[in-house]
Amino acid sequence: AQSVSQHNHHVILSEAASLELGCNYSYGGTVNLFWYVQYPGQHLQLLLKYFSGDPLVKGIKGFEAEFIKSKFSFNLRKPSVQWSDTAEYFCAVKTSGNTPLVFGKGTRLSVIA
Amino acid sequence: GAVVSQHPSRVICKSGTSVKIECRSLDFQATTMFWYRQFPKQSLMLMATSNEGSKATYEQGVEKDKFLINHASLTLSTLTVTSAHPEDSSFYICSALGLGTEAFFGQGTRLTVV
Repeated sequence: AQSVSQHNHHVILSEAASLELGCNYSYGGTVNLFWYVQYPGQHLQLLLKYFSGDPLVKGIKGFEAEFIKSKFSFNLRKPSVQWSDTAEYFCAVKTSGNTPLVFGKGTRLSVIA
Repeated sequence: GAVVSQHPSRVICKSGTSVKIECRSLDFQATTMFWYRQFPKQSLMLMATSNEGSKATYEQGVEKDKFLINHASLTLSTLTVTSAHPEDSSFYICSALGLGTEAFFGQGTRLTVV
């Protein structure tokens, strides 16, 4: 079965700092990859997704992620974070067919002024 | 994008009672829906896979008699927490598969058992 590892449990950054959140998955076949954000007290929102094609994916709110197949990674990046980016970020993997998303444990991002 | 509606968004119930949570795909048909549970400050854990017209498939450790899932139509799946206890208090989230195998999530239901 596939699994997802998010290495950082809690990241604290100052505003305008650059962000990179790690995500690695274990599955040898074709995968779809996702990053979700969960703001305090709110439900999941899709930031971006990768299905195929250009491995550099741009999402909403200035986020992007790069799929590196050889490293089984799908790291999330943002060049300059804002206080409003404070949230929990989840990486998720899905295989083909009627299969569920498998989520990583999440990374809590705290942006301080 | 496709919309998944989950109802209610919040529910408080007494110990021993049952609570039903609905998950509807509003503008697409979903033969497969998933139910997740999220404890505070933790990730989403898959509870079960719900297939229209057949029995749900439960993940290891999830009691099927406690968490009853019914997927009677292509747009509706329900999760009933039977004889709820305080330890069942959690955030429950449904997800429906649309075309192209993309998953769409409901808003979640926060269940508090007192």
